[in-house]
Amino acid sequence: AQSVSQHNHHVILSEAASLELGCNYSYGGTVNLFWYVQYPGQHLQLLLKYFSGDPLVKGIKGFEAEFIKSKFSFNLRKPSVQWSDTAEYFCAVNTGGFKTIFGAGTRLFVKA
Amino acid sequence: NAGVTQTPKFQVLKTGQSMTLQCAQDMNHEYMSWYRQDPGMGLRLIHYSVGAGITDQGEVPNGYNVSRSTTEDFPLRLLSAAPSQTSVYFCASSLLAGVPYNEQFFGPGTRLTVL
Repeated sequence: AQSVSQHNHHVILSEAASLELGCNYSYGGTVNLFWYVQYPGQHLQLLLKYFSGDPLVKGIKGFEAEFIKSKFSFNLRKPSVQWSDTAEYFCAVNTGGFKTIFGAGTRLFVKA
Repeated sequence: NAGVTQTPKFQVLKTGQSMTLQCAQDMNHEYMSWYRQDPGMGLRLIHYSVGAGITDQGEVPNGYNVSRSTTEDFPLRLLSAAPSQTSVYFCASSLLAGVPYNEQFFGPGTRLTVL
């Protein structure tokens, strides 16, 4: 069965620090990859996605992610975090069917 | 557009009670889904629908029923609540079923506690 692993469950950073959240998936075929974010008290919303083309994708609020097929990874990055980036981040994968599989999530806390 | 709406926001049930969580979307989306979110486990798919009258099971369907009589509504029924069903439930929708790179739009969630 396909699975998604997010390596860090909790991350604490100071403002202006760089962020990288890891995401690995287990599937050898074509994948469609997503990062969703849930800000405190808000709905989950899409941060960015990859389905083809340039493996470096840019999303909202300065986030980007790189798809590395050989490593089965789709890590999320931001060069300089802000207090407002405090949220829970979910990596997700769809392998072409009707089901999207989510990782366990990473809670990010940014200290002002 | 209201997007995806869910009711109620909070609910407390006793073991064995039944209830229906409501979900509606006004975006004319084909695909709708229900997830549960538990600490350390992320979101797990309960059931999904690819159109009115068509539903199928996700990863964790036991104890839940769904139906989709209209494009807009996708209620989730708990037949006989158990403490293991204490969770936060999210409904989501996306424009087209069968397009795997479509993003999903999520509702605000229902926090359910089963005593």
